[in-house]
Amino acid sequence: DSGVTQTPKHLITATGQRVTLRCSPRSGDLSVYWYQQSLDQGLQFLIQYYNGEERAKGNILERFSAQQFPDLHSELNLSSLELGDSALYFCASSAPGSGELFFGEGSRLTVL
Amino acid sequence: GEDVEQSLFLSVREGDSSVINCTYTDSSSTYLYWYKQEPGAGLQLLTYIFSNMDMKQDQRLTVLLNKKDKHLSLRIADTQTGDSAIYFCAETLNTGGFKTIFGAGTRLFVKA
Repeated sequence: DSGVTQTPKHLITATGQRVTLRCSPRSGDLSVYWYQQSLDQGLQFLIQYYNGEERAKGNILERFSAQQFPDLHSELNLSSLELGDSALYFCASSAPGSGELFFGEGSRLTVL
Repeated sequence: GEDVEQSLFLSVREGDSSVINCTYTDSSSTYLYWYKQEPGAGLQLLTYIFSNMDMKQDQRLTVLLNKKDKHLSLRIADTQTGDSAIYFCAETLNTGGFKTIFGAGTRLFVKA
């Protein structure tokens, strides 16, 4: 158990819909990262937050947004969903000053 | 640019050594990591090497870093069936925050 909790574990929805994925980092970790894992794209970095502020941005689509709340949990919002958004979405956290990432078990999104 | 490349598949016999290779492009990487992903799980850190080191050994794992060629390798001695998993090479860039870029992952098959 990494200490990072993600909900929901599985989600099935239709094209055009909007979903929210939630992540609780390890106790004491200030950084939260979001990654998308799909068969054809591998593990893609989406975005990083540190103590509530956006710190680094990767290949995140404009239809996607994220935030980190004062209690340090984070949410990833995916809107106008397309079939190609079907993937495993991972959240990871890290301690201040450390590059080591601790991953949650992921949220598997299926868009039909 | 930021890119990490690794071969997609490797098959070895139980008891043999496995060598998984990775190349990266950003010479400003501070840390280089190997993560392991077992089926249905998130990624877990296996080992890491600081960018000013050439080699690191940790029990059955040996990491070699060739900074000149931007080449990283992971050797697993006496490979066991329990080592079957996807292995991700990753580099961490300090861009104000720690941005970790992952390769596509090498799927290791261990034949009994």
